Amino acid sequence: NAGVMQNPRHLVRRRGQEARLRCSPMKGHSHVYWYRQLPEEGLKFMVYLQKENIIDESGMPKERFSAEFPKEGPSILRIQQVVRGDSAAYFCASSPPIGNWKEAFFGQGTRLTVV
Amino acid sequence: RKEVEQDPGPFNVPEGATVAFNCTYSNSASQSFFWYRQDCRKEPKLLMSVYSSGNEDGRFTAQLNRASQYISLLIRDSKLSDSATYLCVAFTGGGNKLTFGTGTQLKVEL
Repeated sequence: NAGVMQNPRHLVRRRGQEARLRCSPMKGHSHVYWYRQLPEEGLKFMVYLQKENIIDESGMPKERFSAEFPKEGPSILRIQQVVRGDSAAYFCASSPPIGNWKEAFFGQGTRLTVV
Repeated sequence: RKEVEQDPGPFNVPEGATVAFNCTYSNSASQSFFWYRQDCRKEPKLLMSVYSSGNEDGRFTAQLNRASQYISLLIRDSKLSDSATYLCVAFTGGGNKLTFGTGTQLKVEL
């Protein structure tokens, strides 16, 4: 749904650089979720955030990955010192305050390529 | 064992055929289930929810069997535009997150 905006749509980084992926939720949505889709695999949950809070980060790799959803501005997924294995599509979804998945929508994703 | 398992396919069917996809889930605490559709690595989009009583939306019928932890999707009179990957999804309320299967690829041919 065009309401969830992710940018950039495509991102190329060299090994060792940092990648910053941004997600602006739909208007009125205060819950944000990040998912990663590796080539030929399903979507894997990474992290669930509400404004200024990380609710569940059980899917985040222990190192190099971090996420935030500040009071103002988009949610940011940050990957430090990227490696080739980080190449994937990263999707963000947002839902209303009650966290109803029937009213959740995904953004178009950011395709990260590490060269 | 994966939490949500699907046959990856591909299912190649002629236009007008009826095709059925199956899915099993392992987490008995899963509360709700959905089928999503994903086109050419674009974002997944909600196709329909799945209820124990079965539910129908036009040519699509979804069914949930909690005892067997089994979910199905039936597509009747398939169209070329139905070609996509269909994702079986379980929702766990405690974590408020969706767990996706790897998807079943459908190709509808003339």
